[in-house]
Amino acid sequence: LAKTTQPISMDSYEGQEVNITCSHNNIATNDYITWYQQFPSQGPRFIIQGYKTKVTNEVASLFIPADRKSSTLSLPRVSLSDTAVYYCLVGDQAGTALIFGKGTTLSVSS
Amino acid sequence: DVKVTQSSRYLVKRTGEKVFLECVQDMDHENMFWYRQDPGLGLRLIYFSYDVKMKEKGDIPEGYSVSREKKERFSLILESASTNQTSMYLCAGRGSYNSPLHFGNGTRLTVT
Repeated sequence: LAKTTQPISMDSYEGQEVNITCSHNNIATNDYITWYQQFPSQGPRFIIQGYKTKVTNEVASLFIPADRKSSTLSLPRVSLSDTAVYYCLVGDQAGTALIFGKGTTLSVSS
Repeated sequence: DVKVTQSSRYLVKRTGEKVFLECVQDMDHENMFWYRQDPGLGLRLIYFSYDVKMKEKGDIPEGYSVSREKKERFSLILESASTNQTSMYLCAGRGSYNSPLHFGNGTRLTVT
């Protein structure tokens, strides 16, 4: 199982770009990397998923280097509503466990 | 729209009671998961299931069991509730290999 390591917390101001990096040194060949966002008293929700290079959707970008041992979630121009806990999860074959790390608490101030 | 529903948002039980936490999904998901979440500890996997009547232990299965008699329903059972099982419990489902997890909104269980 690929273990993930993220910073415990990050602070930012509205309008800035935020980059959260996740380390996953023993990622397997078939594993995807998925990021989730969680607000208080809610379940995590999917943000973005990728396998290699770069993926972009309407809310974020995901950068994955060639060796895939880390990944970076990029949130452009954050707002107060982006204050949340962000988790990176390294996928696995169907039928096996999905283990989360402790996540990164992002605090956005005005 | 995808949906994972947990039957109770808040639950208060007494020590020693048998507790059932129910989770239903309407997405024909193969895989279902139960996590608990505590401050500072993140999401910890209790049990998961990749098919009907199949179950596998996660990181912290002690004191819990699960039941999956039908594909859409995955139940978490606390055989004899204890105060250290006071926590937020989150159920999730996913379909095919590497597809994202879909979570319910959680059940906040208090054991007194």
